[in-house]
Amino acid sequence: AQKITQTQPGMFVQEKEAVTLDCTYDTSDQSYGLFWYKQPSSGEMIFLIYQGSYDEQNATEGRYSLNFQKARKSANLVISASQLGDSAMYFCAMRDSGNAGNMLTFGGGTRLMVKP
Amino acid sequence: DSGVTQTPKHLITATGQRVTLRCSPRSGDLSVYWYQQSLDQGLQFLIQYYNGEERAKGNILERFSAQQFPDLHSELNLSSLELGDSALYFCASSAGLAGDNEQYFGPGTRLTVT
Repeated sequence: AQKITQTQPGMFVQEKEAVTLDCTYDTSDQSYGLFWYKQPSSGEMIFLIYQGSYDEQNATEGRYSLNFQKARKSANLVISASQLGDSAMYFCAMRDSGNAGNMLTFGGGTRLMVKP
Repeated sequence: DSGVTQTPKHLITATGQRVTLRCSPRSGDLSVYWYQQSLDQGLQFLIQYYNGEERAKGNILERFSAQQFPDLHSELNLSSLELGDSALYFCASSAGLAGDNEQYFGPGTRLTVT
């Protein structure tokens, strides 16, 4: 069974600094996808970034980048130049492979708090 | 705005009752997913529909059922509700059946069972 582990229940970061949120995964599949979502206090789930298991380059989307280390089975999210609006829960998720569907398995989340 | 809509936003009901949650996917998306987020279980996949057909099933209770209609909107039916069913229920959508690199979530329906 697939498993996603986020070992940091909560983190603080100073505004304008960079922060790394950890995510490790466990799968025997060769083809898989990794996602990061942001959930602010309002509750919605906001898609941030995606990394495919065969992608050779680390994914980037604006201030978000994914540090993908396949051999270590880690997919850490890096947020550069933190802003107050980045305070939220962050979830790492993995997509099942092949024709089994697109369902996502989520980690327990990390609560990020940005200090002014 | 993800383009996925869900109604109602909030729902309060009593134990033993039945409710229906509704979802409209993003324009052009054929897959709809339902997820449950609760304090004790976290975020869990319930079920996926693709173009009207059930395609994948997760930890969905027998008291719960879903369907996707020809216009691609989906409904999640929850019956014989228990206190433990109180949760935030998300609908998500994506373009294809498998391998998609995007999956967008709706704003969720917060269900409170009293």
